[in-house]
Amino acid sequence: KNEVEQSPQNLTAQEGEFITINCSYSVGISALHWLQQHPGGGIVSLFMLSSGKKKHGRLIATINIQEKHSSLHITASHPRDSAVYICAVISARQLTFGSGTQLTVLP
Amino acid sequence: GAVVSQHPSWVICKSGTSVKIECRSLDFQATTMFWYRQFPKQSLMLMATSNEGSKATYEQGVEKDKFLINHASLTLSTLTVTSAHPEDSSFYICSARVRGFNYGYTFGSGTRLTVV
Repeated sequence: KNEVEQSPQNLTAQEGEFITINCSYSVGISALHWLQQHPGGGIVSLFMLSSGKKKHGRLIATINIQEKHSSLHITASHPRDSAVYICAVISARQLTFGSGTQLTVLP
Repeated sequence: GAVVSQHPSWVICKSGTSVKIECRSLDFQATTMFWYRQFPKQSLMLMATSNEGSKATYEQGVEKDKFLINHASLTLSTLTVTSAHPEDSSFYICSARVRGFNYGYTFGSGTRLTVV
């Protein structure tokens, strides 16, 4: 069993839809990252959080430490949001990555 | 802030040659750089951790003589793929943890290596 599980693996949405990507982990962590990887491969860190909720524009990330679960929400999705979204946890000073969620937003 | 510049973004080389990939921290000092490898449709896999002024720490199964890492300064870490073979073709990306950076880790833009 992977230490970091993401769902869904693939997600197709219509422009404007509200999107949720989930991440569950099995190890103790100091923080969790949500990353965005575009087709060219470059990775951008969207959030780092260790408790509660963070918001940046149309993106919202939440984490429940007790339940070992985090969600990434995208409101009013847009085709430019199409990318792979990766959950990564920091444990023992190392990043462990989920397998990613391929999001495609159709116009 | 907290930008890591990675070069080249892509490279094609012949089997048996060596390729050097550079990661340079532009506006912070990176005492530690992480090197990852990513195969298509797969997650990032940590290859090694480079520490400025000391030997890199390699993950199990990663050949240290094949993937040479040098971290000679606080702003530059390099990964050299020696005697490259087609099975080394992959996407390589570096990352650094940035103290005081709200986003935690910053990533290079990655290098797509194709060995022919």
